[in-house]
Amino acid sequence: DAKTTQPPSMDCAEGRAANLPCNHSTISGNEYVYWYRQIHSQGPQYIIHGLKNNETNEMASLIITEDRKSSTLILPHATLRDTAVYYCIGGTYNQGGKLIFGQGTELSVKP
Amino acid sequence: NAGVTQTPKFRILKIGQSMTLQCTQDMNHNYMYWYRQDPGMGLKLIYYSVGAGITDKGEVPNGYNVSRSTTEDFPLRLELAAPSQTSVYFCASSPSDYVTDTQYFGPGTRLTVL
Repeated sequence: DAKTTQPPSMDCAEGRAANLPCNHSTISGNEYVYWYRQIHSQGPQYIIHGLKNNETNEMASLIITEDRKSSTLILPHATLRDTAVYYCIGGTYNQGGKLIFGQGTELSVKP
Repeated sequence: NAGVTQTPKFRILKIGQSMTLQCTQDMNHNYMYWYRQDPGMGLKLIYYSVGAGITDKGEVPNGYNVSRSTTEDFPLRLELAAPSQTSVYFCASSPSDYVTDTQYFGPGTRLTVL
């Protein structure tokens, strides 16, 4: 499984885009990048995942660099309810579905 | 659908006591997982199951046992509670381990061992 590195904390103004970086320089060719978030005292929630191409869904966009050594999760219009810890995880399918969580980035969205 | 439910929400145990954390999912998912989360840390996998009757160890299995007799239920057993097991425990499920199948988490059980 790829080791991922994220900043421990970030701030973002409400209504602005939140850009959360993740380094995964050891990621292998068949490993996906997953993003989950954990709002205080709740279970983690899936956000998005990708392999090589940029991805977008109703929650966020995922931008993966061409060399796949880093990625950025973008919340286009952050709200106070987006305040959470965001986890970037590298992994493959057919591994028992095991997700290896690091310490994540604590995002604080401020009014 | 209720999704993944866990009971109890909170529990205080004395050292050496035993208890079972309950986890139930109503999504007919084959895969189920138990994680623990210590304060300020990410989640660590304790045990997982790929279907009824099949379980396997995760990263931190010592001090825990699991069983999976039905698709819906995946209880976690602590036999001799120790202070090091003070943590928040999350149960999760997914349809398979394929890349597009995400994990759905329960609300957690906060356990304190004194």
